[in-house]
This record gives sequence, structure tokens and C-alpha cells, in this order.
Amino acid sequence: DIQMTQSPSSLSASVGDRVTITCRASQSISNRLSWYQQKTGKAPKFLIYGASNLQSGVPSRFSGSGSGTDFTLTISSLQPEDFATYYCQQGYSVPYSFGQGTRVEIK
Amino acid sequence: QVQLQESGPGLVKPSETLSLTCTVSGGSTNIYYWSWIRQPPGKGLEWIGYIYYGGSTNYNPSLKSRVTISGDTSMNQFSLRLSSLTAADTAVYYCALYDITVESFLHWGQGSLITVSS
Repeated sequence: DIQMTQSPSSLSASVGDRVTITCRASQSISNRLSWYQQKTGKAPKFLIYGASNLQSGVPSRFSGSGSGTDFTLTISSLQPEDFATYYCQQGYSVPYSFGQGTRVEIK
Repeated sequence: QVQLQESGPGLVKPSETLSLTCTVSGGSTNIYYWSWIRQPPGKGLEWIGYIYYGGSTNYNPSLKSRVTISGDTSMNQFSLRLSSLTAADTAVYYCALYDITVESFLHWGQGSLITVSS
């Protein structure tokens, strides 16, 4: 099974800050990596697929990069609505697996 | 716009079997893997398994001995059965549609909180 590890587990940032979240896979997954945003009490929302492709309707301040085992999600200028928990997920092989999440909090 | 809605009992006793149903509306569903994912309170996401249009299934090995996913394409519904429940199965259970073209969970239900307690 492929293990996904995110860092940090949580971070505090201010509106306007640039935020970077890292996701590492236990083996190469090519670019088969997705990102989700989850707000408290809500279902996850799909943001990015194929490591770097923005889902339609997702603001352009979100971007993703990486391939192989190391990936990043970047929010270029944090907005109030971006405070949430973010998860990566590998689609390379079953069982599909998620990172443990990164909580982005208001500083 | 594709929408999913879970329905389930809310509270289940230990050792019993959980049954959840997901109803899908608003779009073509035969291009997706119909999936179940759960999230224990305050914790991360765990993929449980999927059923594909036509009936083939795939389960997380960690739950495989206790899980059955079935589907009724005529009703646009699919179901999860999880047996031999313990308190560790307490979680929000989500149904979701996995799009194989982008290898992502594109659409999600709102989630159903299932508590295992006597």
C-alpha cells in the first residue's frame, strides 16, 4: 500500500500570506496526485488533479506541483475563505490513500 | 449538477452490521467508480472501496473481510454494508464518485455520521 505523508500537520498564517503544503508518497506515483479542501462539518472539495491541474472554478491562487514522490500545494495569497484542512490523495493504485491533512489556521 | 445523498441509521450497536445507501442524481453516473470513504471524528480520510458500473468491486484490504458494496443502476443507488462493528467504526461516512479520467473523487455526498455504541 502507498502511504501519503503531509507536512506540516498544521500552520498559522495571515490573510495575504503565501502558504505551501507538502505531500510525500512512500513510492513513486508519477503525477497521480489530487488535492482537496475540507471545511469544518463539510465534505471535502476537489481542487487539483494530476498534481498540477486546477479543477474548473477553483481560484487561480491555488497551484500544485511535483511528480514522483514529492508534491506541493501552494496558495499564493491566502484569503479568509481558504482557512480549512487540506488533503492530498494518490490515484496511482488501490487502496487509494490520503495524507493525514494539513490544517491552515488564522494567525 | 451531480448530487449525492447518504441515508443511514445514525446509531448502531457493537457487533451489528451497518447499512448505508447513497442516491445519485443529476448526471451520467456510469463513468465513475461509486465509492465509500469514512472519516473518524477529528481524523483523516480512509477509502473503503468502490463498485463500478457493471458490478465489479474493489475494497481496502484493511476492511475487506467486513465490507460489501452493491449497486442498483436502475435506481441510481449504491450501498455499503460493514459488519462486526466496533467503536473504532464510528465515523462520518461519505459516498463519492471517483472519476477515472482525473483519478480523483469529483463529487461527494454531505456525509452521514454513524455512531457505534450500545
